[in-house]
Amino acid sequence: SQQGEEDPQALSIQEGENATMNCSYKTSINNLQWYRQNSGRGLVHLILIRSNEREKHSGRLRVTLDTSKKSSSLLITASRAADTASYFCATDIGGATNKLIFGTGTLLAVQP
Amino acid sequence: NAGVTQTPKFQVLKTGQSMTLQCAQDMNHEYMSWYRQDPGMGLRLIHYSVGAGITDQGEVPNGYNVSRSTTEDFPLRLLSAAPSQTSVYFCASSYGDREWSGANVLTFGAGSRLTVL
Repeated sequence: SQQGEEDPQALSIQEGENATMNCSYKTSINNLQWYRQNSGRGLVHLILIRSNEREKHSGRLRVTLDTSKKSSSLLITASRAADTASYFCATDIGGATNKLIFGTGTLLAVQP
Repeated sequence: NAGVTQTPKFQVLKTGQSMTLQCAQDMNHEYMSWYRQDPGMGLRLIHYSVGAGITDQGEVPNGYNVSRSTTEDFPLRLLSAAPSQTSVYFCASSYGDREWSGANVLTFGAGSRLTVL
């Protein structure tokens, strides 16, 4: 079964609005990452948050992590049409390997 | 720097045929992995390698074989293709060292779309 589940599965907003995506996971993690995938392309890393961090910012991105609830959220502020893509969370469960387990993704459509 | 290069980009196979998806990276990454992406399922880990000569199974390894004879290459072999293996396959790599920030951030290839008839 998937380690990460994103919510919502799909999100449609207008340009300039904020977009929030959530990720829930099942087991303890070392870090959690967010990736973006444009249609027909490979995934691109956006941001990483470690298990001992609660919030992180990068440009228009803000990520929060609540390890007690096993959940994370990705906020994209002042969205643009170019932000239209699928967004995935990925969890590193630690241990001797570097396995990243991905969630099912949120499809974000930003209308111009 | 080419990053992660996957070939072929598209492939059509008949049931029972075998083939190899190629993956090469030029970033001296120790860690390499293969994922498959299916609608509504996200990405699922097939096999991974933490260094040359070392491979291990991921979430969905059945029907696939890998080897890692060099740091640069990590081919994925389909032994006897089945329609259930119709998917988009992604190769990804990272430095794999947990001791510094960003170490296990994955760099992805562009993907290989496989159809099994």
